[in-house]
Amino acid sequence: AQSVTQPDIHITVSEGASLELRCNYSYGATPYLFWYVQSPGQGLQLLLKYFSGDTLVQGIKGFEAEFKRSQSSFNLRKPSVHWSDAAEYFCAVGAGGFGNEKLTFGTGTRLTIIP
Amino acid sequence: DAGITQSPRHKVTETGTPVTLRCHQTENHRYMYWYRQDPGHGLRLIHYSYGVKDTDKGEVSDGYSVSRSKTEDFLLTLESATSSQTSVYFCAISDSKGSRTEAFFGQGTRLTVV
Repeated sequence: AQSVTQPDIHITVSEGASLELRCNYSYGATPYLFWYVQSPGQGLQLLLKYFSGDTLVQGIKGFEAEFKRSQSSFNLRKPSVHWSDAAEYFCAVGAGGFGNEKLTFGTGTRLTIIP
Repeated sequence: DAGITQSPRHKVTETGTPVTLRCHQTENHRYMYWYRQDPGHGLRLIHYSYGVKDTDKGEVSDGYSVSRSKTEDFLLTLESATSSQTSVYFCAISDSKGSRTEAFFGQGTRLTVV
């Protein structure tokens, strides 16, 4: 069975600083990987996704993630965070068939931004 | 935003009572899902549907049933609610549309079982 580990429960960074959120996955086949963001009281919004091809993927809001098969990782990065980036971030792996996005989520990382 | 509406958005119910949550989509997507979100667990898949009247279990399906009689509606039923089912429930939809795509999520339903 697939699994996702987000080792950091809570991260605090200063506004303008760089950010990296860690994600490690376990999956027997080629993984389909996603990062979602959730603001308080809201649903989940897709930041970016990796299906195949270029291992560095660009997403919305200036985020990017790099797929490293050798490390089973899909870390999320942003060069300079903004106060509006404060939210909870979820990494997920997709295990369904074509178009079927049964997702297994990590436990999430809460991001706090300090002025 | 994807056209997904969850109802109700908030509900408080008593232990032992039946509860039905509704997910309605306007995107004509084939796949629909119900997840629950709990602190320390992220989101976990309860049930999903791959077409009208076609459903299957997810990771945490015990105590839940689902039905899909129309493409646009996916119902989640707690036959006899328990306190352990207090959670935030999210509906999601997806479809291939010619290429692999992603799941879109509704705004969630906060359910409290007292």
